[in-house]
Amino acid sequence: DTGVSQNPRHKITKRGQNVTFRCDPISEHNRLYWYRQTLGQGPEFLTYFQNEAQLEKSRLLSDRFSAERPKGSFSTLEIQRTEQGDSAMYLCASSLVGGGPDMYNEQFFGPGTRLTVL
Amino acid sequence: AQSVTQLDSHVSVSEGTPVLLRCNYSSSYSPSLFWYVQHPNKGLQLLLKYTSAATLVKGINGFEAEFKKSETSFHLTKPSAHMSDAAEYFCVRNAGKSTFGDGTTLTVKP
Repeated sequence: DTGVSQNPRHKITKRGQNVTFRCDPISEHNRLYWYRQTLGQGPEFLTYFQNEAQLEKSRLLSDRFSAERPKGSFSTLEIQRTEQGDSAMYLCASSLVGGGPDMYNEQFFGPGTRLTVL
Repeated sequence: AQSVTQLDSHVSVSEGTPVLLRCNYSSSYSPSLFWYVQHPNKGLQLLLKYTSAATLVKGINGFEAEFKKSETSFHLTKPSAHMSDAAEYFCVRNAGKSTFGDGTTLTVKP
């Protein structure tokens, strides 16, 4: 399967613990995005990378959230000192940005990681 | 802020009847607009996209959407619903730092 993969698919943790999620994009894609989706809502943009550079992180929900893409391939999203309000689905997407405007480029989404904070 | 509004949180149709899922966008420079579908436990899948080349856009699985600038709308339609169309549908503005609508749950009754 050459689609976007995310691990783990489910994570249950206790409040105050740190969690890390991994996203493996489609191999030739240079852009990688993280979203959060809560029940009954559409996905909410968090941050994105072009290769290994994080181009925007102002939408990360707090300083407890951080993301990396160290070699321009897979990415990790870490949440420190989790809170119950962090419970959500975390989605990763990738796209190939080339000669056309970025606003037209289709994103390919992974199945998501569902986080439950007890 | 740029946004999209999905006018119905739930739509229920009978199998074989037409589907209409409504989306309005906030007016600004000409946007790119997308419709994605999300089946339970599966990733979001692109149905179609508008990129200003043509106002009537055809997508996968018989879906199409028409961009109407005068109405700031991008409604999704399908002539005949199938049971497998039951899912959550999202209208999305722009690629990249995308703005999603809140979604419309489509139920298809036998």
